[in-house]
Amino acid sequence: TQLLEQSPQFLSIQEGENLTVYCNSSSVFSSLQWYRQEPGEGPVLLVTVVTGGEVKKLKRLTFQFGDARKDSSLHITAAQPGDTGLYLCAGPDSNYQLIWGAGTKLIIKP
Amino acid sequence: SQTIHQWPATLVQPVGSPLSLECTVEGTSNPNLYWYRQAAGRGLQLLFYSVGIGQISSEVPQNLSASRPQDRQFILSSKKLLLSDSGFYLCAWSVPGGGQPQHFGDGTRLSIL
Repeated sequence: TQLLEQSPQFLSIQEGENLTVYCNSSSVFSSLQWYRQEPGEGPVLLVTVVTGGEVKKLKRLTFQFGDARKDSSLHITAAQPGDTGLYLCAGPDSNYQLIWGAGTKLIIKP
Repeated sequence: SQTIHQWPATLVQPVGSPLSLECTVEGTSNPNLYWYRQAAGRGLQLLFYSVGIGQISSEVPQNLSASRPQDRQFILSSKKLLLSDSGFYLCAWSVPGGGQPQHFGDGTRLSIL
C-alpha cells in the first residue's frame, strides 16, 4: 500500500521566518500535488510536480520533487499570516487514484 | 471556467434522520466526481467516486451512499444518520483519467445531535 507521510504535523512560527514541510513515501510516484486548505473551505491546488528533481516556484513558495520521486518538500520564505492553513500533498497510486497525506497545519503569527 | 457548488454549508441533524448533500459542477463535461470526509484539521478520507452517470465506487463501507443521476450532479445520502457521521464533507471534481488534480467545493459541516 502506498502511503504519503507529511511532517511536521503542526508548525507555528512568527511572521517573516522561513519554513520547510515535507511529504515522504517509500514508494515512487509519477507525480505529486500540493494543496492548501483554509478553515471552512475546500483544498485548493497549488502545484503539481512531475519530474524527479523538479523545482517549481510560486511567489514565496518553492516546491521540490525528489530525484527518486519518493518525496517532496515545500519551502516558504518570509512567511506571512496569509500562508496560514493546512498543507496537503497527494499522489496517484498504482490504480491512478489519488492518495492523500494527513497534512501539515501551519500557523503564522503576526 | 469551471465551478463547483456544494450545499448546504452547514447542517445539524438528529441521530436517525436521513441525509442528502448535493454537489453540482458547471463548465465541464463528463468529470470524475468525488465525496470525501475530513476529520478536524486532518487529511481526506475518500468515500465515493464516480467516472460517469450511475457509476459509483465505494471506498469505505459505511452508513452512507452516493448517486450520480446526471453528468454533473453528485449526491451523498444516508437513510439513518449515526453520531459517527459527523464531520466535514467535501465534494470534488477532476478531468477524466486517474490521478488528476482535483477541484473542491467549500464543504458541508455536518453535526449530528
